[in-house]
Formats: sequence, C-alpha cells, structure tokens
Amino acid sequence: DIQMTQSPSTLSASVGDRVTITCRASQNIKSWLAWYHQSPGRAPKVLISKASNLESGVPSRFSGSGSGTEFTLTISSLQPEDLGTFYCQQYNGNSALTFGGGTKVEIK
Amino acid sequence: QAQMVESGGGVVQPGGSLRLSCTASGFTFSHFGLHWVRQAPGKGLEWVAFIRYDGTYTFYVDSVKGRFTISRDNSKNTLYLQMNSLRSEDTAVYYCAKDRDMAAFYMDVWGKGATVTVSS
Repeated sequence: DIQMTQSPSTLSASVGDRVTITCRASQNIKSWLAWYHQSPGRAPKVLISKASNLESGVPSRFSGSGSGTEFTLTISSLQPEDLGTFYCQQYNGNSALTFGGGTKVEIK
Repeated sequence: QAQMVESGGGVVQPGGSLRLSCTASGFTFSHFGLHWVRQAPGKGLEWVAFIRYDGTYTFYVDSVKGRFTISRDNSKNTLYLQMNSLRSEDTAVYYCAKDRDMAAFYMDVWGKGATVTVSS
C-alpha cells in the first residue's frame, strides 16, 4: 500500500498567518491527492482534489500544489474556523486508499 | 442538499457481528460510488471499503478483507457494512461517504458517523 506522511503533526499559528502543511507519498501518485479538514467532533470536509483543484464552496484562502510524491496545502490567512485537523488522501489507481496521519492546527 | 445518515452502531463482544446502514438523500444515489471510512478514538482517518455505483465492484483495506462486506440497495438509497469476527481494533466511529463521481475515489459528502465499540 502507498504510505502518506504529513508534517508537521501539530502546528500553532495566529489568525492571519500563512500556514503550510506537507504531505509525502511513498510512491508516485501523480496528482491523485485530496485534502480534507475535520473540525473537532465533526465529519471531514473535502477542500481540494487532484492536488490543486479547489472544491466548490471552499474559501479561496486554501490552495494546493505538488505532484508525484510531494504535496503542499497552504492557507494564505488562517481563520478561527480553520481549527481542527487536516488530512491528505491518495487515490492512485486500484491500490487501497490511504490517508496521511493528520496535521492538527491550533490557533494561538 | 446531499445528506447521509448512518445507523446500527453499538457495543459488541469480540468475535461478534454488526451491520451498519447508511441512508442517503439529496442526490441520485445510483450514480455514485460509496465508501466507508473509520476513525479510532483519538486517531486519524482510515479508509475501509468502496463499492461502485452499480454494486459490481468492491474493494477493501487489507485489515478487514474476509471479515467485512460492503453492499448497497439502490432501490432504497441505502449503503451497508456487514462486519463479522469483530476485534477490539475495529472500535471506531464509522463514516459513510459519497464518492465525488462513479469512481473518483475521494469523498465529497460524509455522514456524521456511527460508533462501534468492540469490548467484552
């Protein structure tokens, strides 16, 4: 199976800060990567698909980049509602779908 | 508005069985693939199983193969997960989720989750 490694595992930032989260795949997944946000006690919500496509209704402060094995999620200006955990997920071919371990975002 | 609602969670002894259901509304159920994803207490997300829009193709994470079965009834807009030979490590919140397309393999609508506890 393809392993997904996120860093950092936790981060603390202030409202308005630019935040970057990295996701690395154990093998080439081209651009088959999605990003999700899970608020505490809630179900996940998809933010980005195919590495850089912003899903409908998702604020433009979120952006994704990368291909192959290294990917980045950027929040251009952190907002209080971004509290929670962000996950990447690969969906390459017929291999089992796998999520990264998550990046917990705290607001200073 | 698309919505998914899980039911059937509960407490079960190791080795026991449980069937989860997920009823969907607000979209054409038979046009989309569906997933189960679980989250153990305090842990991250783990994808469990996928079923194609017509039910003819399924696949699973290795840890549940041979024990769990995903199925769907398009006439009832309902997804199922039959879980047999349950283990303590299956304890989790189980989410049903809609695929973005017939088989895009990422999820754009999620239920609120059903809690499964495997304990003696």
